[in-house]
Amino acid sequence: GAVVSQHPSWVICKSGTSVKIECRSLDFQATTMFWYRQFPKQSLMLMATSNEGSKATYEQGVEKDKFLINHASLTLSTLTVTSAHPEDSSFYICSARDRGTWNIQYFGAGTRLSVL
Amino acid sequence: GENVEQHPSTLSVQEGDSAVIKCTYSDSASNYFPWYKQELGKGPQLIIDIRSNVGEKKDQRIAVTLNKTAKHFSLHITETQPEDSAVYFCAASPNSGGYQKVTFGIGTKLQVIP
Repeated sequence: GAVVSQHPSWVICKSGTSVKIECRSLDFQATTMFWYRQFPKQSLMLMATSNEGSKATYEQGVEKDKFLINHASLTLSTLTVTSAHPEDSSFYICSARDRGTWNIQYFGAGTRLSVL
Repeated sequence: GENVEQHPSTLSVQEGDSAVIKCTYSDSASNYFPWYKQELGKGPQLIIDIRSNVGEKKDQRIAVTLNKTAKHFSLHITETQPEDSAVYFCAASPNSGGYQKVTFGIGTKLQVIP
């Protein structure tokens, strides 16, 4: 089956620093990748849609300068949380759409970010 | 935009019993309905999906039904086992030639009691 690898699984950082999260599709090409944020006991909130070779499309209310997304290849997208603050602490999950299938999203294992 | 409602939010069943989770959607253009299982501290995993040209789909102990007229779809788990305990999300997505946003339900926490 399609595998999406997300790293790191857990990161702790100091307030004001930046953190990069990687999302890789291991056995398929993903023209589109997605970044979600999930608060405890809540559903997934789409932050942005990332298309290979173009700028990401951000959902309303998501600061694009704070959450930098890069999708440089068909198998890699990165999310950088810039100048992180405690309120950015959350569970971040990426997913990738296999261009060989129709709208099926495969999810990474998630990254728990804790900002001190 | 699409709105997906899911219930119940929590569900406890005895091992071996069946569990049913129901979802409704608002956008008649939606025609792809995946279900995801999320275990604690992990990302969601696709467990089954259904498209609007099908009314029911089954995969071993898991089945999904779809009623397009009423705009609702359901997940059925039979012979539940402790390892079925997790949070389950339904989702809906419209059809198009390109990508369309997938809208998730709020999730159902299923607890299977041994």
